[in-house]
Amino acid sequence: GENVEQHPSTLSVQEGDSAVIKCTYSDSASNYFPWYKQELGKGPQLIIDIRSNVGEKKDQRIAVTLNKTAKHFSLHITETQPEDSAVYFCAASRTASKLTFGTGTRLQVTL
Amino acid sequence: NAGVTQTPKFRVLKTGQSMTLLCAQDMNHEYMYWYRQDPGMGLRLIHYSVGEGTTAKGEVPDGYNVSRLKKQNFLLGLESAAPSQTSVYFCASSELRRTSTDTQYFGPGTRLTVL
Repeated sequence: GENVEQHPSTLSVQEGDSAVIKCTYSDSASNYFPWYKQELGKGPQLIIDIRSNVGEKKDQRIAVTLNKTAKHFSLHITETQPEDSAVYFCAASRTASKLTFGTGTRLQVTL
Repeated sequence: NAGVTQTPKFRVLKTGQSMTLLCAQDMNHEYMYWYRQDPGMGLRLIHYSVGEGTTAKGEVPDGYNVSRLKKQNFLLGLESAAPSQTSVYFCASSELRRTSTDTQYFGPGTRLTVL
């Protein structure tokens, strides 16, 4: 089955700096790569996703890049703000019913 | 719309007790899922359903049973709880798209402790 590795497990940045979280996957047939944000005491919420037919996608301060050859994808957050502090999960899937999640990155944005 | 709701929010069980977690969604989604979240292990799929009356095993199904008698509800049962089942449980739902995957919407979670 699919295996997703996520790094780093914790990340601390100063407000205004950029943050990058990286994931690798094992199943070359995976074609859908979402990123979820989980705030304390809440369920994960989708923030951006990318499908295997594109290499990059942006949504305001958030971007995701995908390298299918190397089987890795990354989340980039620019101009970080305190409200970006949360746990971020990457995931990979090749079917409509099964997401395999990474182990999460705790992002702390300090003032 | 309330989205995905879960009942209860917290529960403490003794080893060997049974309980049912209820998930409800009001988005008319075909797909529903149960995950467990443990420290350092991300979310792992327990069981899922692709429609009313259907269920399938996920990555970690042992010790759990599920039922999807109504499209809007997905129940997760623990017949004989064990300390290893102490976790936070999340339910999610998504639309049916035959040619591509779609966003999963998560509930707020149920924190279960088994003593």
